[in-house]
Amino acid sequence: GAVVSQHPSWVICKSGTSVKIECRSLDFQATTMFWYRQFPKQSLMLMATSNEGSKATYEQGVEKDKFLINHASLTLSTLTVTSAHPEDSSFYICSASFGTGGYGYTFGSGTRLTVV
Amino acid sequence: DQQVKQNSPSLSVQEGRISILNCDYTNSMFDYFLWYKKYPAEGPTFLISISSIKDKNEDGRFTVFLNKSAKHLSLHIVPSQPGDSAVYFCAASAEGANNLFFGTGTRLTVIP
Repeated sequence: GAVVSQHPSWVICKSGTSVKIECRSLDFQATTMFWYRQFPKQSLMLMATSNEGSKATYEQGVEKDKFLINHASLTLSTLTVTSAHPEDSSFYICSASFGTGGYGYTFGSGTRLTVV
Repeated sequence: DQQVKQNSPSLSVQEGRISILNCDYTNSMFDYFLWYKKYPAEGPTFLISISSIKDKNEDGRFTVFLNKSAKHLSLHIVPSQPGDSAVYFCAASAEGANNLFFGTGTRLTVIP
């Protein structure tokens, strides 16, 4: 089956530093990848949609200069949290799609980011 | 604007009994619905889905019911097992779109 690998699974960083999270589709080509954020006891909130070879589409309220998304190949998308602050501490999850209309979604295992 | 809503944040059920998780949506363009199960510190895993052309889909112990007129769907788990304890997210998508809208999740606890 389709597998999405997300790395790292957890990271602690100091305020003001940048953190990169990788999302790889291991056995399929993902033309579209999604980045979600989940706050405690809240839903998964879509942050941005990235399409291979083009700029990411950010949801309203998400700072594109703070959350840099790169989808350089059909199997890799990265999310970089720049100049991290404690309020960026959250659980970030990527997913990859090889279809439309809700079909073919696979999620990564998530990354717990703690900014101290 | 929360287009997919799960109004029960938590549910406790005895082992062996039926668990019923509910989900409501507001967007009439949604035509595909999914349920995901999520353990702490892990990504969601797909459980079961249903297309808007159906009103029921069954897979083993899991059955999803869709009531389009009420914009309501539910997930039934029977018999419930302790290993089913997790957070369940309802999600929906519209035809031609490639992103999902998630509900806020329901934490299911199955008591042995």
